[in-house]
Amino acid sequence: AQTVTQSQPEMSVQEAETVTLSCTYDTSENNYYLFWYKQPPSRQMILVIRQEAYKQQNATENRFSVNFQKAAKSFSLKISDSQLGDTAMYFCAFMKLFDMRFGAGTRLTVKP
Amino acid sequence: KAGVTQTPRYLIKTRGQQVTLSCSPISGHRSVSWYQQTPGQGLQFLFEYFSETQRNKGNFPGRFSGRQFSNSRSEMNVSTLELGDSALYLCASSIGTGENYEQYFGPGTRLTVT
Repeated sequence: AQTVTQSQPEMSVQEAETVTLSCTYDTSENNYYLFWYKQPPSRQMILVIRQEAYKQQNATENRFSVNFQKAAKSFSLKISDSQLGDTAMYFCAFMKLFDMRFGAGTRLTVKP
Repeated sequence: KAGVTQTPRYLIKTRGQQVTLSCSPISGHRSVSWYQQTPGQGLQFLFEYFSETQRNKGNFPGRFSGRQFSNSRSEMNVSTLELGDSALYLCASSIGTGENYEQYFGPGTRLTVT
């Protein structure tokens, strides 16, 4: 079974600075999807960024980018120019055949 | 386009009762997935339905069941409720096919079992 590990339960960053959230996963599959989701306090989960395992190029969405290391089974999220609205729980997720597995989450606080 | 809706938003039940939760996906989405979120266990996958068929299932006891209707709306049922079933139940919808597989989450149903 696939497992997803987020080793940083909590992190904080100053507004406008850069922060990197770590995620590792364990799988024997070759083709799969990886995601980062954001869950603001008392609000809905929203997709931040997606990466297909067969694509070598790292995905980027505005201030959010990933460092995908397939051989190392690592999928970190970098948030540049952090904003107060980035304060949330961040979940890393692995998906294969419509079965999505989440990590335990990292609680990120952006400080003014 | 309307987002994923879940009803009810909050529910309080007693141990031993059963409960049915509902999820209406985004228009045009044919896949619905269900997740249980608790502080202790985090987010756990329950099952996924596509065109009224269950395609995948997580490691939950048979007390947890679901179904999907022809209009893609889905229901989840939990029978013989236990205190440990208290959780936020999230549903997510997606197109369900193709490469651009993205799930859109609903606000969740907060179930409290007393």
